[in-house]
Amino acid sequence: NAGVTQTPKFQVLKTGQSMTLQCAQDMNHEYMSWYRQDPGMGLRLIHYSVGAGITDQGEVPNGYNVSRSTTEDFPLRLLSAAPSQTSVYFCASSYSGRDNEKLFFGSGTQLSVL
Amino acid sequence: GQQVMQIPQYQHVQEGEDFTTYCNSSTTLSNIQWYKQRPGGHPVFLIQLVKSGEVKKQKRLTFQFGEAKKNSSLHITATQTTDVGTYFCAGRSGGYQKVTFGTGTKLQVIP
Repeated sequence: NAGVTQTPKFQVLKTGQSMTLQCAQDMNHEYMSWYRQDPGMGLRLIHYSVGAGITDQGEVPNGYNVSRSTTEDFPLRLLSAAPSQTSVYFCASSYSGRDNEKLFFGSGTQLSVL
Repeated sequence: GQQVMQIPQYQHVQEGEDFTTYCNSSTTLSNIQWYKQRPGGHPVFLIQLVKSGEVKKQKRLTFQFGEAKKNSSLHITATQTTDVGTYFCAGRSGGYQKVTFGTGTKLQVIP
């Protein structure tokens, strides 16, 4: 089992460029989510999904799009990157998203927007 | 919305000293989880507390959940260099899919 796999590990973008951060899990988890981590602000939820075809917004969704066409994959799209989106992005999953489940995190993507 | 604050933001201790981080939520939580993130790594689950007043231990780590289920603490006895990292609490309330993470406490252990 690879667990939660994120690609790329590092990315540099220019303002206005678009890109997709990939996240895949092989644990048959229904729940997947995206967080961004900024110094002094902890981990903030961007979007989450409780199954294929179902997504919802988290705390900081503006500027990001998601879709969930399969159980395994949950890509995060930046349509027009801004310097404020410079951050470390983590994908996390759990079996169903219910109360007593721990989150499994990917290794993260460090994104810089110039 | 729900807010979860942690104090202190940073803590430097001599190896062998104790360390405590505190987590406070603006709302009552259904449960609280603790995660550890090593430098350059990703958060890894440590433990979950569910009951009011619950105390759990993992070797040198002691976790507590407040009576009102709005606060929690993590205490490390006799820190070691392997304890270095950022410790996050994470709480759920009013919707199980949304997990709110605390701001984190970064621990540095001086050998």
